[in-house]
Amino acid sequence: SQQGEEDPQALSIQEGENATMNCSYKTSINNLQWYRQNSGRGLVHLILIRSNEREKHSGRLRVTLDTSKKSSSLLITASRAADTASYFCATDDYGQNFVFGPGTRLSVLP
Amino acid sequence: SAVISQKPSRDICQRGTSLTIQCQVDSQVTMMFWYRQQPGQSLTLIATANQGSEATYESGFVIDKFPISRPNLTFSTLTVSNMSPEDSSIYLCSVGEWAGNTIYFGEGSWLTVV
Repeated sequence: SQQGEEDPQALSIQEGENATMNCSYKTSINNLQWYRQNSGRGLVHLILIRSNEREKHSGRLRVTLDTSKKSSSLLITASRAADTASYFCATDDYGQNFVFGPGTRLSVLP
Repeated sequence: SAVISQKPSRDICQRGTSLTIQCQVDSQVTMMFWYRQQPGQSLTLIATANQGSEATYESGFVIDKFPISRPNLTFSTLTVSNMSPEDSSIYLCSVGEWAGNTIYFGEGSWLTVV
């Protein structure tokens, strides 16, 4: 069953601006992960946040998790053209079943 | 993280034929998965490849259509059988160390069925 739902579906910003993507899910999770996919390529793991964590940083990335609202956000600061990609959240329900959301297509314009 | 190699990276296949995709990992991994990503869509789990035993398929996917092998902890194959244009997708191999931890992906195999 569908778990993660990203919002917005598509986002277009200027280089240097910040990009925020949101992910909502329906059931209890063990952790939530964010991935990036360049067109037609494999997925690159960006960051994992566990259910007992509220915020994590990695370089220009900041991820928050609100388990009471069953939602997460991914913030990319000072965006670059190379950040243009699709971004997916994936949730793990304490098992081996990772469920992916529909993704957000980010376009960063030079 | 593990380095995952998939072959082929792309192929154009004739309707009714079958194609086997290979996934090779540079280290032993506990979990291996196969996902499908249809054009413009998200990822859908096809099955978990179990070492030395039959794969565990998700709802909507069957062994006759997507036979999977996993002879050891570093290698797996996915066959897409009797292909139709609806099977045109990216097929992705992913691996993980243990349940609840990060899973990593290969570059994917982009199949177009004509």
